[in-house]
Amino acid sequence: QKEVEQDPGPLSVPEGAIVSLNCTYSNSAFQYFMWYRQYSRKGPELLMYTYSSGNKEDGRFTAQVDKSSKYISLFIRDSQPSDSATYLCAMSARNDYKLSFGAGTTVTVRA
Amino acid sequence: NAGVTQTPKFQVLKTGQSMTLQCAQDMNHEYMSWYRQDPGMGLRLIHYSVGAGITDQGEVPNGYNVSRSTTEDFPLRLLSAAPSQTSVYFCASSSLRGRSEGEQFFGPGTRLTVL
Repeated sequence: QKEVEQDPGPLSVPEGAIVSLNCTYSNSAFQYFMWYRQYSRKGPELLMYTYSSGNKEDGRFTAQVDKSSKYISLFIRDSQPSDSATYLCAMSARNDYKLSFGAGTTVTVRA
Repeated sequence: NAGVTQTPKFQVLKTGQSMTLQCAQDMNHEYMSWYRQDPGMGLRLIHYSVGAGITDQGEVPNGYNVSRSTTEDFPLRLLSAAPSQTSVYFCASSSLRGRSEGEQFFGPGTRLTVL
C-alpha cells in the first residue's frame, strides 16, 4: 500500500463548478501538508501549504486537513479553465524535508 | 532570479549509455533533491542533499548517483541507462531556514527516453 493515496481521476467539471480533491495517508508522523499544481509539461508549483489540522483559505482555494482521519482535501471554488492542471498532494514529517507525493489528479475545467 | 534550471530538456539514450542531468539553483537553498515522475506514480524521490558535500538516498536510488560540490549545483548521473529509467526527472530546492518545510521549488524537468 502506498504511503499517500490519491485518486488520479481524471476529473472534468464545467466552468464555475466546485472542484473537490482529496488524499489519504497512512503515516501518522506527517505534520506538513501541501498541494502542488502542475500544468502540462511543466514542473509542479506550490499552491497551498498547511501545518497540522485545520483549514486554510487563499482566494478561491481552500485546503483542509483532518489528521484524525488521515485525510486532506483541496476545494477550488468558481473553477476556471485556467485551473485545468494536475493537482498533487504532498506531505512530510516534522524536521524532515523529504516529501511523499500522491499520484496526482488531472482536472479539466470546461468553458 | 532564474530559480531552478535543468538541462537538457529532452534526451534520448540507448541502453547502457551514461549521462548526467544538470540542475542548478540561484536562491542559495541548502536542500536540493531529484524526483522522477511516471504515469500513475506521482513524484518519487531519487536522491537528496541538505548541503554541499552531503547527499542521501531517497525512495528509488538504484541506478543513479549524485554529488553536491557546491550549494548551487546538484547533478544526477545515470551510470548505465535502462529502459526502466524512461521518465520525467525534476530537480527541486528548498531553504532549510525558517518555516519553509515543503515549499520546494521545482525546475521545468528533463524528459528522458531510454531505448
